[in-house]
Amino acid sequence: DGGITQSPKYLFRKEGQNVTLSCEQNLNHDAMYWYRQDPGQGLRLIYYSQIVNDFQKGDIAEGYSVSREKKESFPLTVTSAQKNPTAFYLCASSIDRGIPYEQYFGPGTRLTVT
Amino acid sequence: AQSVTQLDSHVSVSEGTPVLLRCNYSSSYSPSLFWYVQHPNKGLQLLLKYTSAATLVKGINGFEAEFKKSETSFHLTKPSAHMSDAAEYFCVVSDLKAAGNKLTFGGGTRVLVKP
Repeated sequence: DGGITQSPKYLFRKEGQNVTLSCEQNLNHDAMYWYRQDPGQGLRLIYYSQIVNDFQKGDIAEGYSVSREKKESFPLTVTSAQKNPTAFYLCASSIDRGIPYEQYFGPGTRLTVT
Repeated sequence: AQSVTQLDSHVSVSEGTPVLLRCNYSSSYSPSLFWYVQHPNKGLQLLLKYTSAATLVKGINGFEAEFKKSETSFHLTKPSAHMSDAAEYFCVVSDLKAAGNKLTFGGGTRVLVKP
């Protein structure tokens, strides 16, 4: 089956700890994205990557970091500098050929920091 | 710059009655428009997309949407609601000037279906 996997589904951390969220895709998509979703709000873009070893900040990148060492993988690290990390995190991927394509989403990771 | 406004944050319908979810967009260039659905604690699933072909777009699960350039609207409809349609729906816009195929999301419309 082709698709996007995110793990774990639920994640709990203590304040002050860094935590890494996994995202893997086997769709052979060039571009990958990380979004944050808070209750009652739409999705906000954290980071995106159009090609291996390159990534760009989205609208709310502060307190987050990413890497793109392989086409299939785009892990997100939530650092202790993120002021309010508790949220639902969604990873997505898409074809990137110069015109808008739909993005395919993973099932999400719900992060709770106490 | 691109933006999306979903005009209703909540919509309540009875099972078997029509559903209308309203969306207005702003885009400097020819936009691509999408509707996604999200069930609780799940990822987003694409319902349908408009990419400058036919203005009436049919999607999955009986949904359809009409692109009206003069009104800058892309409203989502379904003739007869089913209990399984209870979810949150997002209208999304992108255009050729959006670097990295970036999407702009509306705030979402939560649909409640009453038996």
